[in-house]
Amino acid sequence: EAQVTQNPRYLITVTGKKLTVTCSQNMNHEYMSWYRQDPGLGLRQIYYSMNVEVTDKGDVPEGYKVSRKEKRNFPLILESPSPNQTSLYFCASMGPIRAKGRVQYFGPGTRLLVL
Amino acid sequence: GNSVTQMEGPVTLSEEAFLTINCTYTATGYPSLFWYVQYPGEGLQLLLKATKADDKGSNKGFEATYRKETTSFHLEKGSVQVSDSAVYFCALRGTSGSRLTFGEGTQLTVNP
Repeated sequence: EAQVTQNPRYLITVTGKKLTVTCSQNMNHEYMSWYRQDPGLGLRQIYYSMNVEVTDKGDVPEGYKVSRKEKRNFPLILESPSPNQTSLYFCASMGPIRAKGRVQYFGPGTRLLVL
Repeated sequence: GNSVTQMEGPVTLSEEAFLTINCTYTATGYPSLFWYVQYPGEGLQLLLKATKADDKGSNKGFEATYRKETTSFHLEKGSVQVSDSAVYFCALRGTSGSRLTFGEGTQLTVNP
């Protein structure tokens, strides 16, 4: 089954304690992206990756890091989480630019609470 | 830059009522337009899409028409069901890029 998986689904942590949210896709997609969802703001892009070892900032990258060492994985790293990073996080992937009508597929979400 | 504006929610309807959720956009060129749905506790699922002007996307009784002249992509359904209760997001992808720009989301609640 084609899917995007994220782990963990729920996480409670404390300020300053480094954490990583994993994302994996099994569709051989080149493009992957992280979003955060906050009430009244919709989804905002944090980082994206066009392919292995190619990453770039989205609209709200501050306080986050990513890496893309393998095509299927795109972890989101919070080196020193703060309460304003409490949010619902989604990973997404998408097929190549040359594919017509391509669509982003989303993971189930990770709900993060930073105390 | 690109932007998407959705009608403010929440929207509460009775079962079998007609639904319209307005969506307008600002973008250069010819973006692709999408509606995503988020059911409680789940991730986003693509509901429908349109990739060029006058295209109509449809799925599960929902429809939206890409109107270039009014820069709109309003979501409609003739008769909503309780199971349609969810958050609906309008989104666009620019002509040359991969990034999705989302609206704020509209919470729909359908009562029996």
